Amino acid sequence: DVKVTQSSRYLVKRTGEKVFLECVQDMDHENMFWYRQDPGLGLRLIYFSYDVKMKEKGDIPEGYSVSREKKERFSLILESASTNQTSMYLCASSFGGGSETQYFGPGTRLLVL
Amino acid sequence: DAKTTQPPSMDCAEGRAANLPCNHSTISGNEYVYWYRQIHSQGPQYIIHGLKNNETNEMASLIITEDRKSSTLILPHATLRDTAVYYCIVRVTNDYKLSFGAGTTVTVRA
Repeated sequence: DVKVTQSSRYLVKRTGEKVFLECVQDMDHENMFWYRQDPGLGLRLIYFSYDVKMKEKGDIPEGYSVSREKKERFSLILESASTNQTSMYLCASSFGGGSETQYFGPGTRLLVL
Repeated sequence: DAKTTQPPSMDCAEGRAANLPCNHSTISGNEYVYWYRQIHSQGPQYIIHGLKNNETNEMASLIITEDRKSSTLILPHATLRDTAVYYCIVRVTNDYKLSFGAGTTVTVRA
């Protein structure tokens, strides 16, 4: 079974803090993704990575950065958390080329106070 | 423009088959039909996908009409744990971005 894990299920941070969200997949997938999901706005892509050290901006990269130093790990960084970044953060991974089914982690619900 | 149309909600009795419809009348020849579900406060779970042939796996069956303008996801024996929001999406396999619509909220009742 594909397994995508995220470092925290729930997180509470204060405005201005630096926040790290980590995602690990165990299926040797090439591609990894960070989304956020908000009521009424659906799923929105923040960043994705198609290889180690490679990254591409998604639809809403402002206020976020990412790091992929190892194939299995993809980190999302909120440089200075703001209240409008309160959201459910979802990590996903997929094989590169051919079958592009994305498999999701359990999600991190982040509250920024 | 919405690429898929699903009913907002449906109920199903435990142990019975649940048939979830999806309309995708503008689907292109290279677009697949994918189904995901999301149980409350969890990440989306991949269920099944198909291009034009019917597909079956351990979770569900996917029936795609011959003209590909609609499909039905079948959960053969619904259980209470199948209560979730079910999303039908159409996409090409190398489209890196997933986008969910409102989905169908399925409630399985004992």
